[in-house]
Amino acid sequence: SQKIEQNSEALNIQEGKTATLTCNYTNYSPAYLQWYRQDPGRGPVFLLLIRENEKEKRKERLKVTFDTTLKQSLFHITASQPADSATYLCALDAGGFKTIFGAGTRLFVKA
Amino acid sequence: DGGITQSPKYLFRKEGQNVTLSCEQNLNHDAMYWYRQDPGQGLRLIYYSQIVNDFQKGDIAEGYSVSREKKESFPLTVTSAQKNPTAFYLCASSRGQLGSGNTIYFGEGSWLTVV
Repeated sequence: SQKIEQNSEALNIQEGKTATLTCNYTNYSPAYLQWYRQDPGRGPVFLLLIRENEKEKRKERLKVTFDTTLKQSLFHITASQPADSATYLCALDAGGFKTIFGAGTRLFVKA
Repeated sequence: DGGITQSPKYLFRKEGQNVTLSCEQNLNHDAMYWYRQDPGQGLRLIYYSQIVNDFQKGDIAEGYSVSREKKESFPLTVTSAQKNPTAFYLCASSRGQLGSGNTIYFGEGSWLTVV
C-alpha cells in the first residue's frame, strides 16, 4: 500500500539556521507533492506545491525539492525564525480527489 | 474574506449519542472533504463530495455520515456506531480534482471528545 513517512522526532534548531525536513514515500509515483504548515489546534495551511517534473521550487525563505528516483522531498526554511515553529505536513496526490498526508514533523526554532 | 467555517470548535459526546459537525465554505469550491486527525498519525479521509448531492466514502467512513444539499455546506454526523470518535476533525475544500494540482483549503477544525 502507499506509504508516506516524515521524521516523527521534533526538529530543534537555532534562529537564523536552515531547517531541513524530510518526506519519504513508497509504493507510489505521485504527480505532485505538497507541503502544509499546521499550528497547534488549527487547520493546516498550504505552503508549496511541486510537480513530478520539477526538481526544485522556491517561495521567499522556503525551498522544496522533489526527487522521484529517491522517492523523497526535502523542505528547507532558510534564516529560520521562532515564528516558523509549527508542524509541517507532507502530502501526496493519490489520484482523483484523494491525498495522502504524512504525520508531520514538529519544528522548534529557538531564539 | 473567503474561507471555511467549522462549528463548534469543541464538542462533547455521550455514549450512544449522535453529533453533527458543521462546515460551511464561501470559496465557491465544488469539492469538500472531511478528515480525521489523531496524534502521531496523518490526516485520514472520512468522506468527500465532488458536487452537490453526491458524496463518496473515504478510507475510514464507518460510523460517519454526511450530506451535501448545498454547495456551501457539508455537515458530518458522528454516529453511535463510531466506537472511537475522540479526535480532531478537519473540513476542507478544493476547486476541483486534486490530481490536477488543486490545493486543499482547511477549516480551523473541531475537537470531539467522548465523555
